[in-house]
Amino acid sequence: EDQVTQSPEALRLQEGESSSLNCSYTVSGLRGLFWYRQDPGKGPEFLFTLYSAGEEKEKERLKATLTKKESFLHITAPKPEDSATYLCAVQEQNNDMRFGAGTRLTVKP
Amino acid sequence: GAGVSQSPSNKVTEKGKDVELRCDPISGHTALYWYRQSLGQGLEFLIYFQGNSAPDKSGLPSDRFSAERTGGSVSTLTIQRTQQEDSAVYLCASSLDIAGGREQYFGPGTRLTVT
Repeated sequence: EDQVTQSPEALRLQEGESSSLNCSYTVSGLRGLFWYRQDPGKGPEFLFTLYSAGEEKEKERLKATLTKKESFLHITAPKPEDSATYLCAVQEQNNDMRFGAGTRLTVKP
Repeated sequence: GAGVSQSPSNKVTEKGKDVELRCDPISGHTALYWYRQSLGQGLEFLIYFQGNSAPDKSGLPSDRFSAERTGGSVSTLTIQRTQQEDSAVYLCASSLDIAGGREQYFGPGTRLTVT
């Protein structure tokens, strides 16, 4: 069965403490892998789309990478305002979207 | 410009009643998606539209759920004979088209509570 698994479920960091979030996936065909950020009570906010293994994208303190089986979201020197739930999703060949359960990130000042 | 809007923002209904949830996508976006997010759960994909057409309805949880889109714009998600397990936040998103990897813009969601 196609799956998207994110780890860890929750991550607490000190401000400035870099770390990575993981998204592993098993789908029969990948049209794109997405990272979103979701703040409490709001809809997800788009961060990145990755299409093929080896691809990397960066935005401010965030960097997303993709292999054939997983994606990482690296957070460098995080700030308290980076606290949110980070969601990974894959778009399958039939255009259906499959989301992971998310990683809840808390950055303490 | 205006983003994706959803109404109502909150809906409390009694078990067994029907509810309609509305989504207004970004103007010019041909693709529209519906998701459900239960407390502490990830997003569950329900259905997508390309224009007014929904090619795959298999993601809808049961035959009590239906969705339509008219004029390539507004979409409604209808839940008949609501059950308590239908309580969740229903999110709508739109994208320019259905091309692979196209970013989706989400609305704020409708929080549905079935009592």
